[in-house]
Amino acid sequence: GAVVSQHPSWVICKSGTSVKIECRSLDFQATTMFWYRQFPKQSLMLMATSNEGSKATYEQGVEKDKFLINHASLTLSTLTVTSAHPEDSSFYICSARDLLAGLRGETQYFGPGTRLLVL
Amino acid sequence: RKEVEQDPGPFNVPEGATVAFNCTYSNSASQSFFWYRQDCRKEPKLLMSVYSSGNEDGRFTAQLNRASQYISLLIRDSKLSDSATYLCVVNLNTGGFKTIFGAGTRLFVKA
Repeated sequence: GAVVSQHPSWVICKSGTSVKIECRSLDFQATTMFWYRQFPKQSLMLMATSNEGSKATYEQGVEKDKFLINHASLTLSTLTVTSAHPEDSSFYICSARDLLAGLRGETQYFGPGTRLLVL
Repeated sequence: RKEVEQDPGPFNVPEGATVAFNCTYSNSASQSFFWYRQDCRKEPKLLMSVYSSGNEDGRFTAQLNRASQYISLLIRDSKLSDSATYLCVVNLNTGGFKTIFGAGTRLFVKA
């Protein structure tokens, strides 16, 4: 089945630093990738939709200047948390749709997630 | 009102029990429906798609009622390994593709 990788799997950093998370589709091309955040015991919340070759679409309440998204190729999207603070500590998960896969394009394939802890 | 609502549980059941989860969605323009399973500290994994005709995969049966905007998941003969959070997921395509996740229902299967 389709595979999505995410790197790094966990990060511990000091407050004020920037953290970059990569999301790759390994065996399919993903024109659209999604970035989610999940706090403990809560559901996944969509942060932004990353479109290859164009600007990301951010959900209401998500600061685009703080969460920089770059989707430079059909297999890679990056999320950079700039000037991270303790309240940014969370589980960040990316997902990708394979639009060429017919019905399978209706499903999303998730990366394994990145746990960010900001001290 | 949340766009996708689920009973958060937890459901505590013995091995071998049958357990049913329900989910309601508010947007009548919702196009496709899924159940995902999420284990603790892991990413969600697709369990099954949900169709109006109902579909079954082994011990799991999913059903969609578009008129009532209601989705269900039935697990028969529960196993310890079924313990997880089950997420009801709805795809919308209203000027752009969007996925809405329910908050999930926690299931604990005990020996």
